Amino acid sequence: DVKVTQSSRYLVKRTGEKVFLECVQDMDHENMFWYRQDPGLGLRLIYFSYDVKMKEKGDIPEGYSVSREKKERFSLILESASTNQTSMYLCASSLAGRNLAHEQYFGPGTRLTVT
Amino acid sequence: AQTVTQSQPEMSVQEAETVTLSCTYDTSESDYYLFWYKQPPSRQMILVIRQEAYKQQNATENRFSVNFQKAAKSFSLKISDSQLGDAAMYFCAYRSAEGLFVSGDKIIFGKGTRLHILP
Repeated sequence: DVKVTQSSRYLVKRTGEKVFLECVQDMDHENMFWYRQDPGLGLRLIYFSYDVKMKEKGDIPEGYSVSREKKERFSLILESASTNQTSMYLCASSLAGRNLAHEQYFGPGTRLTVT
Repeated sequence: AQTVTQSQPEMSVQEAETVTLSCTYDTSESDYYLFWYKQPPSRQMILVIRQEAYKQQNATENRFSVNFQKAAKSFSLKISDSQLGDAAMYFCAYRSAEGLFVSGDKIIFGKGTRLHILP
């Protein structure tokens, strides 16, 4: 079974703090993704990575950065947390291949509260 | 750009009944994949069913089936014999399959439909 794990289920941080959210997958997937999920807005893509050290901006990258130093690990960084970044953060991974119906596998999510 | 629309933010169904969740999408591509994902309360999102656009036959997985209407750009999910464990947020999603390999294989999600099962 594919496993995608996230470092914390719940996190409370103060405004201005630097926040690290970690995601690890154990299936040698090339692609990894970070989403944020808010009520009524669905899932919005923040960043994704298709290889080690490779990354691309998603739909809402402002205020976030990412790091992928190893294939299995993809980190989301909030350089200076703000209250409007209070949200559920979901990590996902998938195999690469445009012509194949690869699904994304999701982690359990991290509910981040910024006070 | 492709979009995915789920017009029903919430739905309820009696246990053991059948319910259909709607999804429409907009694309100019002819080759793509469609997915339904399920997110139970406080649990991980999992894939329910997938459909390849070039296949005319509707996908089926046990009690879950889709009605894929390519010309109408419609992809509804039917859940038969609803069970309490089906209560969840359901997301419709689209992924392109055309063109040169593009990094990321991004999936575009709808905003979701919350399904309640009434005992």
